[in-house]
Amino acid sequence: GAGVSQSPSNKVTEKGKDVELRCDPISGHTALYWYRQSLGQGLEFLIYFQGNSAPDKSGLPSDRFSAERTGGSVSTLTIQRTQQEDSAVYLCASSLGQGPGDTQYFGPGTRLTVL
Amino acid sequence: GQNIDQPTEMTATEGAIVQINCTYQTSGFNGLFWYQQHAGEAPTFLSYNVLDGLEEKGRFSSFLSRSKGYSYLLLKELQMKDSASYLCGVMDSNYQLIWGAGTKLIIKP
Repeated sequence: GAGVSQSPSNKVTEKGKDVELRCDPISGHTALYWYRQSLGQGLEFLIYFQGNSAPDKSGLPSDRFSAERTGGSVSTLTIQRTQQEDSAVYLCASSLGQGPGDTQYFGPGTRLTVL
Repeated sequence: GQNIDQPTEMTATEGAIVQINCTYQTSGFNGLFWYQQHAGEAPTFLSYNVLDGLEEKGRFSSFLSRSKGYSYLLLKELQMKDSASYLCGVMDSNYQLIWGAGTKLIIKP
């Protein structure tokens, strides 16, 4: 079946504009994760959803970042008033559940460049 | 706090064997994952260990010692396509994956 998809694949925006990133998880996966990865760095956890609920928002860098998930499927990550330091690859992953051994499958990412 | 340590970069020769270590300190333990990430691509799942010992999967093997908070990924018969970053992730008591910074593996002919 289809894997995790993300759109857009690349986004260039001007400082101060809002952007919306989309993630479509694997069908039937209840858990969905957002990560950020700067060039040559590891994965920075942002937020995760179990169904439509986000029990852990502790990784969101500031109140300019928000995310939602509807219908237990598609999720959107919104960054308001973008700053240059927001430039990174935003990765989405999904897993069947959130338990021992539940493997996370990653989408191809959205490369965000803030000018 | 929670901490995952991996070497930043390693270099090995085509055809050889390399071992990438990962040590961890986390709040609880529900398994350790290894992922491979080629430059510009998404991470892909390699292995999962939750019990002590060695798990072999073709040219790749992964080892876990829970008492030592230690794992390694062993790559045999290295090929140029194995040049990538290798990410170690530990699932804590809340079933959250805590990630190391990754090890960049460079394969030389």
